[in-house]
Amino acid sequence: QSVLTQPPSVSAAPGQKVTISCSGSSSNIGNNYVSWYQQLPGTAPKLLIYDNNKRPSGIPDRFSGSKSGTSATLGITGLQTGDEADYYCGTWDSSLSAGPWVFGGGTKLTVL
Amino acid sequence: EVQLVESGGGLVQPGGSLRLSCAASGFTFSSYWMSWVRQAPGKGLEWVANIKQDGSEKYYVDSVKGRFTISRDNAKNSLYLQMNSLRAEDTAVYYCAREHYSRSSGSYTFDYWGQGTLVTVSS
Repeated sequence: QSVLTQPPSVSAAPGQKVTISCSGSSSNIGNNYVSWYQQLPGTAPKLLIYDNNKRPSGIPDRFSGSKSGTSATLGITGLQTGDEADYYCGTWDSSLSAGPWVFGGGTKLTVL
Repeated sequence: EVQLVESGGGLVQPGGSLRLSCAASGFTFSSYWMSWVRQAPGKGLEWVANIKQDGSEKYYVDSVKGRFTISRDNAKNSLYLQMNSLRAEDTAVYYCAREHYSRSSGSYTFDYWGQGTLVTVSS
């Protein structure tokens, strides 16, 4: 059971928009910055979003992030078949039992 | 170009030991916190351990405390994970990841990951 909660799967058609949610608590998302990672099939995770809404160089602006309270959201617009991947949220957790780093269980994106 | 290359994975019996290595290049290794993150087959990511730039601070997830030891050799630009008393539930791909400090937020993130090395614990 992951500390952060994500939907197991989402799907949308090419060109459409999709959002992926990540729910936590005051010990993690509520008081820390959130990152998002993309894991294409058979590859290592790749940083997509950090500091809630910042994109590393090379990440297209089709990818966006936001945070409100104890939840965060990843948005992807103009969906492409190459976006099919697993997406993970991650952040710090100040809880002694979990920390310091925690991740969501991952969301599989299918581009229909 | 930043590169992280893990090695040392393999098949080991329950109760056995294994030492993973991560060779870093393309950046000043001694300036970064480093972590090990694992992913069990078909499962999500789980942070395992991390170590401060000079090795003076180390942290572990509860499930590996007392069994795993993280270390680094800055002269060799290398990160290690000594895994003892291995269990079936330790079976996973183990990634080494660099922790990047964001000055604007005072926060950290994993900005580079290696390709991973598979550890299988089975009799």
